[in-house]
Amino acid sequence: AQKITQTQPGMFVQEKEAVTLDCTYDTSDQSYGLFWYKQPSSGEMIFLIYQGSYDEQNATEGRYSLNFQKARKSANLVISASQLGDSAMYFCAMRVLSGNEKLTFGTGTRLTIIP
Amino acid sequence: SAVISQKPSRDICQRGTSLTIQCQVDSQVTMMFWYRQQPGQSLTLIATANQGSEATYESGFVIDKFPISRPNLTFSTLTVSNMSPEDSSIYLCSVDPWGGSMNTEAFFGQGTRLTVV
Repeated sequence: AQKITQTQPGMFVQEKEAVTLDCTYDTSDQSYGLFWYKQPSSGEMIFLIYQGSYDEQNATEGRYSLNFQKARKSANLVISASQLGDSAMYFCAMRVLSGNEKLTFGTGTRLTIIP
Repeated sequence: SAVISQKPSRDICQRGTSLTIQCQVDSQVTMMFWYRQQPGQSLTLIATANQGSEATYESGFVIDKFPISRPNLTFSTLTVSNMSPEDSSIYLCSVDPWGGSMNTEAFFGQGTRLTVV
């Protein structure tokens, strides 16, 4: 079975600062993908970034980057130059090759950006 | 990408009644997924819906409580039956338009915010 752990239930960050949201995972599969989603108060799930288990370079998408440390089984999300609109819940998720397309989610981190 | 229309966006229901949530996708997809998100919690998979076969339910979820229909490759419904206040949650449908590929993101509907009184 797969497991995602997010140990930061809530974080407060000053606007324009960078923030790192932690995510560790556990799986016995060698092939897997790691995802980050943002959920604003409106409730929709917005895909942010993806990292594959065989990707040698860390993924980047605009202000989002993923600090992937395979040996430590961690996939931390880094948001640079935070903005007020970044205030939301952030979920780390994983899909394994043998998992029939199912996503396993962590418990989430509520990020609040302070003006 | 995939555009998912989920209805209703929110509802307040009396206990003991049932609510059917609809999910319409703008492209054909093999699998559709239904998630529940209880207040302040993460997403929990209820079931996977394949067209032409019975849905596959996760541990803790049963068909009598959450019957699912999948009449074609672009549409699915989830019914929350005999509701109690504990069913108050956000319900989300999700698809992966490139089914079977590990490295593609899942797309979600806007969610249905259900309150049972």
